[in-house]
This record gives sequence, C-alpha cells and structure tokens, in this order.
Amino acid sequence: GAVVSQHPSWVICKSGTSVKIECRSLDFQATTMFWYRQFPKQSLMLMATSNEGSKATYEQGVEKDKFLINHASLTLSTLTVTSAHPEDSSFYICSATHSVGRETQYFGPGTRLLVL
Amino acid sequence: LAKTTQPISMDSYEGQEVNITCSHNNIATNDYITWYQQFPSQGPRFIIQGYKTKVTNEVASLFIPADRKSSTLSLPRVSLSDTAVYYCLVGGHYNQGGKLIFGQGTELSVKP
Repeated sequence: GAVVSQHPSWVICKSGTSVKIECRSLDFQATTMFWYRQFPKQSLMLMATSNEGSKATYEQGVEKDKFLINHASLTLSTLTVTSAHPEDSSFYICSATHSVGRETQYFGPGTRLLVL
Repeated sequence: LAKTTQPISMDSYEGQEVNITCSHNNIATNDYITWYQQFPSQGPRFIIQGYKTKVTNEVASLFIPADRKSSTLSLPRVSLSDTAVYYCLVGGHYNQGGKLIFGQGTELSVKP
C-alpha cells in the first residue's frame, strides 16, 4: 500500500519549453501532495505544498509562476516547469500523505529533468 | 519546524548493527520522528516512524528517549544493499501543513 508514481521518469527538453510532471497516488487518496527538488549530492528541498482543490503554497524563494502546480483530484498533482532553462535541470520528487494528524509522506520515484 | 542534526557519513561492515543518532533539540509536542532511506536517483523510502519510546518493524528499530530531543535508528545486520543516505525528519503534523524539512542526511557505506 501507499504507492506513489511519477511520470515521466526522465525528460530532456530544449531551453524555453515547458515540461509537465505528474504525481499520482495509486492506492490511496492524498489529502496533501508535496513537491521537492534535489540537486546532485544535496538533500531534498521542499518547493511547495499542494492540497486538492486549492492553490499551492510555495516555499520562500520558489517562483510560483515558474513552477505551476495543479492538484485537480485526490490522486493527481502536476508540476509544470515553464520556460525551462538549464539551471532548472534537477531531480524532481513528489510525495503524498493520506492521514490527518500523523502524516507519513510517501514519495514517488522522482523525475530527472535535463534542459539543454 | 525543528532542525535535525545527523552525522554526515558512517562506515560499517556487512553483518554489523548500525546505529544512526539524530538530534532534534527543538522538537515540538505534536512532532513525530520519521526516518527515510534514499538510494541514488530514487525517491526516499519510508523506514520507520515514532513518537516516543521504542518502535520496531521488519527492517529497523527506532529508539526515542523520554525527552525526545534525539532519536536513534538501528539497522540490524546490515548488508551491502543498505548503502544509502538516511534522513531523520521531525514534524509532519497537519497543523504545520504536514511539511517535512530535509536535513543533510547520513551517508551510510557498508563494506564487505
């Protein structure tokens, strides 16, 4: 139980294009989903918190117009990197929780983005 | 959210028990302690979670003293496949938005 998937697992795109990453909770309804970014040899950095049907809450320093998050259902959240540039190349990971109170986060496998 | 401090790296040999200690002096009353394991180019994998005393599951044990200002993840008889980064996190309660802030983690290297 508590499986989270991401699609695609990796993507290569040209600078200036937009890329959409999907995060799905496969066997539970996620009250909240989170998006992280991880650069090589570094820890995960929380980008935003997403609740179904409401606007995402972004962490300080994360551009909300650059990283568009949509949480349309209790099982799907999407992250769109708009007008991607080489510095956006990173490993993007989502997580989902399904409990109120003690919210264990279950993580997806991650999406590797390379912007040329 | 409480800050956590862990050793940056640890070395061990196959078959040994490994204990990784995490300090979290500013832990709040509602905070849970959760440990994750991460392999390169993969998302973190949940290992164990606890609030106080001792928790044990099929892969690890978590020891939490009464003051909850630290916790110790115990991995019995490690194997080469346990080589990974281990993160200790504190928080995740809904009244904090469920957020978890990752620290630097502990890079465990298991040698034959």
